[in-house]
Order: sequence, then C-alpha cells, then structure tokens
Amino acid sequence: DGGITQSPKYLFRKEGQNVTLSCEQNLNHDAMYWYRQDPGQGLRLIYYSQIVNDFQKGDIAEGYSVSREKKESFPLTVTSAQKNPTAFYLCASRLAGGNYNEQFFGPGTRLTVL
Amino acid sequence: GQQVMQIPQYQHVQEGEDFTTYCNSSTTLSNIQWYKQRPGGHPVFLIQLVKSGEVKKQKRLTFQFGEAKKNSSLHITATQTTDVGTYFCAGDNFNKFYFGSGTKLNVKP
Repeated sequence: DGGITQSPKYLFRKEGQNVTLSCEQNLNHDAMYWYRQDPGQGLRLIYYSQIVNDFQKGDIAEGYSVSREKKESFPLTVTSAQKNPTAFYLCASRLAGGNYNEQFFGPGTRLTVL
Repeated sequence: GQQVMQIPQYQHVQEGEDFTTYCNSSTTLSNIQWYKQRPGGHPVFLIQLVKSGEVKKQKRLTFQFGEAKKNSSLHITATQTTDVGTYFCAGDNFNKFYFGSGTKLNVKP
C-alpha cells in the first residue's frame, strides 16, 4: 500500500526542547516538502528537497532543520530557535521531472509547545 | 517575493447554490494546482492547469487558468454537503509551490 506517512499525529513538547517530526514515503518520489499550516491560513513552505543529500530553504526556514539521507525519508527538526512552533505540519512528496506536479500529502503532525 | 492571493476567505452557501474561489499571483506561473482539504484532514490534489486560458471540468467543478497565467478560478455548480472543506490553489515557480490562503466553504443543507 503506497503512501506517505507522518508520525506522530499529535505531539506535545515543552518550550526550549528540540523535536523531530517524521516523514516517510514509499512512492519512489524524488521531491519532498515540509509545510506549516496555521489556523485559517494557507500552507507555508519550510524546506524542500529535490534529491537525496540536497535540500533548500523555503520561505520560513528559520528555526527548522532537515536532512535527506534516504530517498524515502525527510525528517524535520523544530529547534528551540523557532519562536512560535505550535502549528500543523504537513509533509508532501511528488515525482520530480516532467510537467506533472501533483503533491501527495501525509496526514500531518499537530505540534503543541507548552 | 512570490505571492498567491486567494478570495474569499470564507463562503457560506445553501445546498444547491454555486460557489467560486479566485486566485491571483504576483508573477506569471508555469502551472497552477488546486487542492481540497476536508476539516481535520490533509490537502488532496484536485487538478493541475498548465496552458494559458485552459479550462478543465470535473463533474460539477470547473477550473480556469487565466490568459496571462497569473490568475485562476474554481467554480462549483449546485453545491452539495460533500463539497464542504477548504480549497487551496498552489502556484508553481521553479519547483517551489506557493499556496493561497484558502477559501473555506460551508454548505448548509
């Protein structure tokens, strides 16, 4: 059963702690993305990766870090430097190349920092 | 920087009424996609438009891409309660995707 998974669904952390959100896909997609969604707002791009061992900052990368050591995995670390980390985090992937850009989204992780 | 504006922010309709949401980009887009997010869910791809002036239909949904490839619209004819959710457009600019803020549709039965 192909798809993209994120874990956990809900995550609570104390202020000042780093936390890592998991994103895994078995769709054999080259490109992966991390978005942040705040209530009543659209999706804002945090980081994206077009290929293994390479990634680029999105519009709101400050306070976040990523790695892309494997094609299937693109974990996101929310560091203590992120001033307002409470949000809904969505991971997506797509098949790079060509002109077809459908992104497949995971179910999301809702992070609450107390 | 790149911006994609989407209006309206909210729309409440009676079941059977039509609904339209509009997207405008500050720059020319190579293509635009539309997604639907049900309450509590994640965005799901609906369609991609590539050509200038392109119009595509999916049952009661009609998608348009402007001639200048800077604006787009989604029109739903005769809404149903299953149409409830937030509709997002996403503009593609060299593999970076800029999402509109979304239009939240509520349909009263």
